[in-house]
Amino acid sequence: SQQGEEDPQALSIQEGENATMNCSYKTSINNLQWYRQNSGRGLVHLILIRSNEREKHSGRLRVTLDTSKKSSSLLITASRAADTASYFCATPRGFGNEKLTFGTGTRLTIIP
Amino acid sequence: EAGVAQSPRYKIIEKRQSVAFWCNPISGHATLYWYQQILGQGPKLLIQFQNNGVVDDSQLPKDRFSAERLKGVDSTLKIQPAKLEDSAVYLCASTVWGQRPYGYTFGSGTRLTVV
Repeated sequence: SQQGEEDPQALSIQEGENATMNCSYKTSINNLQWYRQNSGRGLVHLILIRSNEREKHSGRLRVTLDTSKKSSSLLITASRAADTASYFCATPRGFGNEKLTFGTGTRLTIIP
Repeated sequence: EAGVAQSPRYKIIEKRQSVAFWCNPISGHATLYWYQQILGQGPKLLIQFQNNGVVDDSQLPKDRFSAERLKGVDSTLKIQPAKLEDSAVYLCASTVWGQRPYGYTFGSGTRLTVV
């Protein structure tokens, strides 16, 4: 079963705008990860945030984690055409369990 | 460093035929996973190896799917006989084993079409 659920399922924005995707999960976790998947390719690990962290940055990416609401958000600032991809959140199956369960993904399209 | 290698990239077979996929993880990564990704969905875990031992195969349809990781390095995933619903991308991922959580490194996947 899917642990994480991303919202929205699809998002289209103009190049240069910011894109925000949300993820909700069900069980307690010790970390949450975000991945990107370009069409026809494998997934690429973007960022990992631990349960004791509230916010983390990596380049144009900003991830937040609210463990009380069991939710996370991924913000991509100053979007580029190359950011067009599907974005997945992934969480461990259980606390201390390293096997990741992936959400259904958000399909992001950047319009040049 | 070299990434996770998978082959073939594409495979088309008829239902009831057999097929095998190969994965070579990143050197030193003790943990290897096979995921199945149906079009429009997120990846679903099939099996997890730790070195050459199976850690979790609870979601592997064992009546038709099998996997092995001889010598704790390369891995193969086999489907026999294939069904139409097996059409999907099969992704291999590897990661470092340890107390600290690490991200996965994925291969490009094998896209299987069963006709």
